[in-house]
Amino acid sequence: EAGVTQFPSHSVIEKGQTVTLRCDPISGHDNLYWYRRVMGKEIKFLLHFVKESKQDESGMPNNRFLAERTGGTYSTLKVQPAELEDSGVYFCASSQMMNTEAFFGQGTRLTVV
Amino acid sequence: GESVGLHLPTLSVQEGDNSIINCAYSNSASDYFIWYKQESGKGPQFIIDIRSNMDKRQGQRVTVLLNKTVKHLSLQIAATQPGDSAVYFCAEIPASYIPTFGRGTSLIVHP
Repeated sequence: EAGVTQFPSHSVIEKGQTVTLRCDPISGHDNLYWYRRVMGKEIKFLLHFVKESKQDESGMPNNRFLAERTGGTYSTLKVQPAELEDSGVYFCASSQMMNTEAFFGQGTRLTVV
Repeated sequence: GESVGLHLPTLSVQEGDNSIINCAYSNSASDYFIWYKQESGKGPQFIIDIRSNMDKRQGQRVTVLLNKTVKHLSLQIAATQPGDSAVYFCAEIPASYIPTFGRGTSLIVHP
């Protein structure tokens, strides 16, 4: 069974540009989470989908970030326009049920220059 | 506010020694905890979990201890190997069901 996959693995963009990150959760997992880790700091929660619905987006930094989950399958996280402080590693995780183990993807390393 | 934190940001050990990584949490409503291992270039990987109705759980070379009285979690790794070098995160799952992570501890194993 495939795990959580994220694309791209790395992205380098200029300040002001747009970037879209994609996450494919484990098949059948209704819960999908986005996290971000800035260098040397904790893994911070961004938002949580249950199927196609946003259950909790309290961690989204600002309105430059937009997450979607089409049909409750894969999810995208778009940053528009990107700023320098958006650099970091963006992780996606999925779980079958809430309060169970969340499986993580390998992350997308975003560098804004 | 509620937080999950780690006492030591970096832990260096010799190969073959036992390692202990600590984590403090403050959300008394959390009833599920997970330790993750993150190697360079990879996402966090599940190591072991424990629920609040337990105080100890053992896996292969790893043991997690939960002390609810002082809100403390620890991960013990027996006979630490170079392959154990990574950043270790504890995560608590509170009533919101959102896994909440601390800063992480970098474990460095010297051969």
